[in-house]
Amino acid sequence: QVLLVESGGGVVQPGRSLRLSCAASGFSFSSHGMHWVRQAPGKGLEWVALISYDGSSKKFGDSVKGRFTISRDNPKNTVHLQMNSLRVEDTAVYFCAAEGVGSGAEGYSWGQGTLVTVSS
Amino acid sequence: DIQMTQSPSTLSASVGDRVTITCRASQSISHWLAWYQQKPGKAPKLLIYKASSLESGVPSRFSGSVSGTEFTLTISSLQPDDFATYYCQQYNNYPRTFGQGTKVEIK
Repeated sequence: QVLLVESGGGVVQPGRSLRLSCAASGFSFSSHGMHWVRQAPGKGLEWVALISYDGSSKKFGDSVKGRFTISRDNPKNTVHLQMNSLRVEDTAVYFCAAEGVGSGAEGYSWGQGTLVTVSS
Repeated sequence: DIQMTQSPSTLSASVGDRVTITCRASQSISHWLAWYQQKPGKAPKLLIYKASSLESGVPSRFSGSVSGTEFTLTISSLQPDDFATYYCQQYNNYPRTFGQGTKVEIK
């Protein structure tokens, strides 16, 4: 079955950097776009970034554009989110999501999330 | 960016009730909309994709429909396991946007 395991979260000071990773298994990783979605404490879901199946296309939400980058390593079935110039408002649980691996080949399958806390 | 306006924000209902949640897009997204269920401390779970297609393994009491830019998630007979927060998401274009969420509470 589809398994997505995020890692790399933790406590970081404002202005510093953090790199999240997501290890995927149970599906053909190199055939699917991968997304990051975050959820601030007690708040709703916010889409953060996409990387296409081959890494050729990348999209970002307005709130992280210019600060976050996304990359993938298809031989290692891994996607990364590099977060620079972190702000207090980036504090959230970050979910990795695979697109189109479910029965209907649409929608997201999700990891369990990793918590990022930006605080001085 | 496409805005997704979800209502209500909170809904109090009893087991057995028919429940309807609405999501309105600020512009046409065709049928490119998904519904997710999230329980506290857990990742979201896909229920519906392409506005009305039921994900495999999701109970048939869940259904989705669309009329223009207004999308509806219906739970035909609310079960104890359905008390959760529900989100819509458009995937017509980027940035992908979610509705604000609807928390379904026990009445």
